[in-house]
Amino acid sequence: GAGVSQSPSNKVTEKGKDVELRCDPISGHTALYWYRQSLGQGLEFLIYFQGNSAPDKSGLPSDRFSAERTGGSVSTLTIQRTQQEDSAVYLCASSSQTGDQETQYFGPGTRLLVL
Amino acid sequence: AQSVTQLDSHVSVSEGTPVLLRCNYSSSYSPSLFWYVQHPNKGLQLLLKYTSAATLVKGINGFEAEFKKSETSFHLTKPSAHMSDAAEYFCVVIPSGGYNKLIFGAGTRLAVHP
Repeated sequence: GAGVSQSPSNKVTEKGKDVELRCDPISGHTALYWYRQSLGQGLEFLIYFQGNSAPDKSGLPSDRFSAERTGGSVSTLTIQRTQQEDSAVYLCASSSQTGDQETQYFGPGTRLLVL
Repeated sequence: AQSVTQLDSHVSVSEGTPVLLRCNYSSSYSPSLFWYVQHPNKGLQLLLKYTSAATLVKGINGFEAEFKKSETSFHLTKPSAHMSDAAEYFCVVIPSGGYNKLIFGAGTRLAVHP
């Protein structure tokens, strides 16, 4: 079946603009995670969704970052008033809540460059 | 807090020689440990996982890892490197507290030379 998809694959924006990044998880996966991969910080957890709720937002770096999930499927990560330090690859992953709940399947990522 | 330390940022081997990528973990209990691989411009792919069923874990593409509690290690090995193994490898732990969020090591970049 189809894997996790993310769009856009690349995004270039100007400092101060808002951006939206989209994630389509594997069909039927109720758990969804966002991570960020940057040169300085490596791979970091941002937020976790179970269904449409986000019980763990501990990794969001500032209040400029927010995320939502609708219909238990698609998720959108929004960064407001982007800064140059937001430049990174944003990765989305999903996992099943039946059987193997620990294995996460990753999308190809969105590469964000803030000029 | 649970964490993992990858002892080498870069490893270079010749094709056909063994691969050893080292990872130590910090955990007060028996953790769930993973190795993920990231090929250039590709997504992260699970290589193998340890969840206490067996200390020697076999993964895809001929990789395996051994969980050694006495050494708090989870090193990744492969008997014979192939050019296609060149990639970045991440040792990963799931901390306690629920939600299964992944904590990544800093990564080891593996280069394979002909």
